[in-house]
Amino acid sequence: GAVVSQHPSRVICKSGTSVKIECRSLDFQATTMFWYRQFPKQSLMLMATSNEGSKATYEQGVEKDKFLINHASLTLSTLTVTSAHPEDSSFYICSARDSGQVSNQPQHFGDGTRLSIL
Amino acid sequence: QQPVQSPQAVILREGEDAVINCSSSKALYSVHWYRQKHGEAPVFLMILLKGGEQKGHEKISASFNEKKQQSSLYLTASQLSYSGTYFCGTAAGNKLTFGGGTRVLVKP
Repeated sequence: GAVVSQHPSRVICKSGTSVKIECRSLDFQATTMFWYRQFPKQSLMLMATSNEGSKATYEQGVEKDKFLINHASLTLSTLTVTSAHPEDSSFYICSARDSGQVSNQPQHFGDGTRLSIL
Repeated sequence: QQPVQSPQAVILREGEDAVINCSSSKALYSVHWYRQKHGEAPVFLMILLKGGEQKGHEKISASFNEKKQQSSLYLTASQLSYSGTYFCGTAAGNKLTFGGGTRVLVKP
């Protein structure tokens, strides 16, 4: 089955540090990947849609300059949290689908990255 | 717009049944169901594409009523492994929007 790999799984760093999270589709190509943020006991909130070879599409209220997304190849998307602060601490999860449309294809999720900013 | 799930939480004894509902204020073309264990990523369970279609995964099944713009997930003869948070997702354009989740705890 389709596998999505996400690294690192956990990051603990000081306030002001920039953190890069990688999301890779291991056995399929993904022209589109999605980045979610999840606070404890809450739902997954879509932050942005990462498009291979073009700019990401951000959801309302998500700062583009704060959360930089790069989708340089068909198997890799990166999310960089720039100058992270404690309020950025959260569980970040990426997902991708193998082909077809969102409506009829499952999303395959990475294992998530737990980010803790001290 | 986020679909609405109910109940928010349910506690079951092993072997009992439960139903989780997901409703939307917008027309639905499909409904996705995922289960997330604590500290882990969501795992895909099933997609329902047609009105009234029922699907199954282990002893977990689901139905989809296009007219009523809702879907229900049925946990039958629940097992301890069914514990987790269940999310429904509705597709609009190129993205999936998840409901608030239903926390399920199955006790021995």
